Amino acid sequence: DAKTTQPTSMDCAEGRAANLPCNHSTISGNEYVYWYRQIHSQGPQYIIHGLKNNETNEMASLIITEDRKSSTLILPHATLRDTAVYYCIVRVWETSGSRLTFGEGTQLTVNP
Amino acid sequence: DTAVSQTPKYLVTQMGNDKSIKCEQNLGHDTMYWYKQDSKKFLKIMFSYNNKELIINETVPNRFSPKSPDKAHLNLHINSLELGDSAVYFCASSNQGEQYFGPGTRLTVT
Repeated sequence: DAKTTQPTSMDCAEGRAANLPCNHSTISGNEYVYWYRQIHSQGPQYIIHGLKNNETNEMASLIITEDRKSSTLILPHATLRDTAVYYCIVRVWETSGSRLTFGEGTQLTVNP
Repeated sequence: DTAVSQTPKYLVTQMGNDKSIKCEQNLGHDTMYWYKQDSKKFLKIMFSYNNKELIINETVPNRFSPKSPDKAHLNLHINSLELGDSAVYFCASSNQGEQYFGPGTRLTVT
């Protein structure tokens, strides 16, 4: 699986958009970009994933650059409950299940 | 309804003991996993089962033995517990793509 690089920490004001960057310059053509988050003391939570097109769901938007070497997770209106460690993971889609390789992630702190 | 559940939530035990952690998922998924999160907060895969068959077995001491009685359950048995086994253990399940995690079991070995 390709290695990812994320900032260690970020701050965001409540109600504003949180934009979390991720670099994955060695991503392969068949690797997807996944985002998970871990709120303190809870299990990781799936947020969104994409291959090359931008994606949006009820939680967030995922913007992937045209060369696929980087992506940005956008939380459009951050709330205090969005304070968590956000993990960007790149991996191949496998039918029989595959590991998630977690890095250090970005600690997002949403401030009132 | 809890999708992925683990028991117990907390487990405190002494070195040398044998303990088990249980995991159940009601999502109908074919694949289940065990991850370990150590004191430095790194999450690492330990095992993965697909349809009760072991498909991922990372470099984990053989004191750790997963058992999958059926597709909905994946238990983790740990023999001769050591101080370094203290961590939070997460179970997860998936069919394809995204994985769904349980709430974790905090194991403390004294």
